Amino acid sequence: DVKVTQSSRYLVKRTGEKVFLECVQDMDHENMFWYRQDPGLGLRLIYFSYDVKMKEKGDIPEGYSVSREKKERFSLILESASTNQTSMYLCASSLRGFNQPQHFGDGTRLSIL
Amino acid sequence: KNQVEQSPQSLIILEGKNCTLQCNYTVSPFSNLRWYKQDTGRGPVSLTIMTFSENTKSNGRYTATLDADTKQSSLHITASQLSDSASYICVVSSNFGNEKLTFGTGTRLTIIP
Repeated sequence: DVKVTQSSRYLVKRTGEKVFLECVQDMDHENMFWYRQDPGLGLRLIYFSYDVKMKEKGDIPEGYSVSREKKERFSLILESASTNQTSMYLCASSLRGFNQPQHFGDGTRLSIL
Repeated sequence: KNQVEQSPQSLIILEGKNCTLQCNYTVSPFSNLRWYKQDTGRGPVSLTIMTFSENTKSNGRYTATLDADTKQSSLHITASQLSDSASYICVVSSNFGNEKLTFGTGTRLTIIP
């Protein structure tokens, strides 16, 4: 089975801190994604990557950046955390091509105080 | 604007009963429709993916239907079990260059003994 592992289940940080969320997948998937999930809203795409060192903005990239130095690892960075970034963050991976299911990690619940 | 609407928002049924969840979408151009199950505190897990040419797809006790003409899909759960308690998310993919997913807000299903 595909396993997508997010480094932390729960994280509490302070406003203005630089925050790193890490994601690792073990199935050699080309594509990796970062989403946030908020109550009453569908998952929203922050950034995605189709290859090592490649990144594309999603629908809500403001305030975030990403890094993909190795194929299996995709990091989300909050440059200067703000309270409106309190959310559930989900990482996903998939094979290249259309009609491929995305495999999700169990999420990181991030609270910014 | 691409949109995916799900109904009902929440549903409570007795164990052993059947239920049907609805999904309406306005996504263009259409590529595929996916149903995901998300247990509380976990990431979404793929149940089915249907392309334009498929109008029914089953995964155990889960059966998804797709009517591409009316832009509607349903997820039917047969002989519900307590473990079916979860949120069910409808996701529609559009194919315009890169594949882009639009997520519904989900139906929260509770099975009571």
